[in-house]
Amino acid sequence: GAGVSQSPSNKVTEKGKDVELRCDPISGHTALYWYRQSLGQGLEFLIYFQGNSAPDKSGLPSDRFSAERTGGSVSTLTIQRTQQEDSAVYLCASSSNRLATEQFFGPGTRLTVL
Amino acid sequence: QQQVKQSPQSLIVQKGGISIINCAYENTAFDYFPWYQQFPGKGPALLIAIRPDVSEKKEGRFTISFNKSAKQFSLHIMDSQPGDSATYFCAPWSGTSGSRLTFGEGTQLTVNP
Repeated sequence: GAGVSQSPSNKVTEKGKDVELRCDPISGHTALYWYRQSLGQGLEFLIYFQGNSAPDKSGLPSDRFSAERTGGSVSTLTIQRTQQEDSAVYLCASSSNRLATEQFFGPGTRLTVL
Repeated sequence: QQQVKQSPQSLIVQKGGISIINCAYENTAFDYFPWYQQFPGKGPALLIAIRPDVSEKKEGRFTISFNKSAKQFSLHIMDSQPGDSATYFCAPWSGTSGSRLTFGEGTQLTVNP
C-alpha cells in the first residue's frame, strides 16, 4: 500500500516568508509525528498528533512553528517568518496508534531559506 | 541534555567485514530499542529492534545486543555489503513517557567493495 507522502519535496524560500509543509500519513494511522533533520542537530522531534489533537508540542523550537491535523489524516506544518536556521529536512512519520513501536517515515521536505 | 549518545560518527569497512555501532542512553523509561536505516534522499526505516527482556536479537545479518545494566545497545552487521552503506540511527522509545523516538546522532557507514 501507499506509504507516507510529503509535499513539496523541495522548498526554497526567502527569509521572512511563511511556508507550509504537508504530510499524508498511511491510511488508518492515528499517530503522526514531525521531526527535523539538520546538520549538527541530527534528527529532532517537533510535534506529535494523536488523531487531530497534539498532546506533545514540546519540540517546536519557537512560536513561529505551528502544526495542525485535520480529519485524523493530513497534517500541515507551518513556519512563519522563516529564518536561515530553519533550513533543514522536515520529516513526517506515522504509526498505527500511540503505542505502536514502528514509525513509518516519509521522504521529507528539504527547506532552504535564503 | 543529551539522552542518547551514538558512536562512531562514521565507519568504513571492507565488504565481508563486521560493522559495529554503539548506542548509550540515560532515560531508564525507554522500553523499546530500535535501529533505523536511512539512505540518501529517503526517510529513516526501521531495521531491527529489541525489547529489554532479551539480551540479543538476530535477523539475518543484523544483530542487536542489549545491556540493560550498562544502558547500552549495539548493532552488529555481519558480512557487510556495499548495499548496507547508509546512515544508521539508534532511536529508543518509551510508551509511558511520550511516543517520540529519541534519535542518536547517526553513524554514516561506508562498505567498500
